[in-house]
Amino acid sequence: DQQVKQNSPSLSVQEGRISILNCDYTNSMFDYFLWYKKYPAEGPTFLISISSIKDKNEDGRFTVFLNKSAKHLSLHIVPSQPGDSAVYFCAASARGGGADGLTFGKGTHLIIQP
Amino acid sequence: EPEVTQTPSHQVTQMGQEVILRCVPISNHLYFYWYRQILGQKVEFLVSFYNNEISEKSEIFDDQFSVERPDGSNFTLKIRSTKLEDSAMYFCASGTAYNSPLHFGNGTRLTVT
Repeated sequence: DQQVKQNSPSLSVQEGRISILNCDYTNSMFDYFLWYKKYPAEGPTFLISISSIKDKNEDGRFTVFLNKSAKHLSLHIVPSQPGDSAVYFCAASARGGGADGLTFGKGTHLIIQP
Repeated sequence: EPEVTQTPSHQVTQMGQEVILRCVPISNHLYFYWYRQILGQKVEFLVSFYNNEISEKSEIFDDQFSVERPDGSNFTLKIRSTKLEDSAMYFCASGTAYNSPLHFGNGTRLTVT
């Protein structure tokens, strides 16, 4: 039962271009969404989050867009840099419903090519 | 920058043995979590802990699992009798508040043989 889906296992983008990572969810109780980045042999590192009352949140090169009607969110990285090469996990929780555990997607491996 | 630390980085144990995975969360954090990632699969929530008690647990967190915060700094995950399918990367995480992003440790790779 995949409540959070990242349908692209990998994505290759040229340095300097925009990277767009997509995530879909099925649980309408989710009200808090996060993106984490993970390097090999390290734990996930928090990147950016968005509450369901917003449709966009921006932090430097990272922007997250939320489309609640489509149950879809995306992470935009612009411009992409070599250090952005990592696995990106979308995560969600139903905090308004008292469930604080995060449900993760399977991840998208982003490869930034020089 | 403060970080969540986990020990050991790799633990090998025989099936049926007990293991304790240790974590030191960030000092001013109040919410503590364990997640695991079986090789090639997604990161899965196991348990959350607040105010010295479990606040939420997943169906994975059965009677073989327990958590403890014995001394105000460590946060441990115990697996009473390990099974082969417990082999995974176990991540500890902590947060300042209920709705704050979580900070993860680098994980303990548990191998059950």
